[in-house]
Amino acid sequence: AQSVTQLGSHVSVSEGALVLLRCNYSSSVPPYLFWYVQYPNQGLQLLLKYTSAATLVKGINGFEAEFKKSETSFHLTKPSAHMSDAAEYFCAVKGQNNDMRFGAGTRLTVKP
Amino acid sequence: EAGVTQFPSHSVIEKGQTVTLRCDPISGHDNLYWYRRVMGKEIKFLLHFVKESKQDESGMPNNRFLAERTGGTYSTLKVQPAELEDSGVYFCASSQEGFRAAIYFGEGSWLTVV
Repeated sequence: AQSVTQLGSHVSVSEGALVLLRCNYSSSVPPYLFWYVQYPNQGLQLLLKYTSAATLVKGINGFEAEFKKSETSFHLTKPSAHMSDAAEYFCAVKGQNNDMRFGAGTRLTVKP
Repeated sequence: EAGVTQFPSHSVIEKGQTVTLRCDPISGHDNLYWYRRVMGKEIKFLLHFVKESKQDESGMPNNRFLAERTGGTYSTLKVQPAELEDSGVYFCASSQEGFRAAIYFGEGSWLTVV
């Protein structure tokens, strides 16, 4: 069965610093991986997705993620954090039944 | 093109009452999903429709929850009777056919049971 694990329930960075949110996956088949973001009191917004094309995937708002099969990882990064990036981020993997399985989420705080 | 829409956006009901949540998927999306997030915990899968058929309802917590998708268009999720632990946000999502298709989520229906 497919699953994802997000390391760190809370991450705090200073404005302008690198953002790194960690996600490791477990899958018996080539995984399709996603990152979603939830801003306060809003729904889930798709940031980016990996579907076995390029291993480096660029998303919205300057985020990108790199698929590393050897490390079973799909970490999310952004070179320079902005105050508006404060939100909760979810890594997810497409399950065999075509549904989505989510990690526990990482809450990102950006300090001025 | 309209996204996934959910109604109501917020609902406060008393324990024992009934609430019906509605979801309108993106036009042309055969796959419709319900998820929920209770008290800041993980986002949990509830069930999956393909058109009007329930493909997978393994995540439904108990028989107080009933989901329907008449005609393969919009879906409803009824909670009857509601309990305190049902409070949380209920997300609906939809996708096109195909494993590579991304799943798009609605804004969620925020349910509070008091």
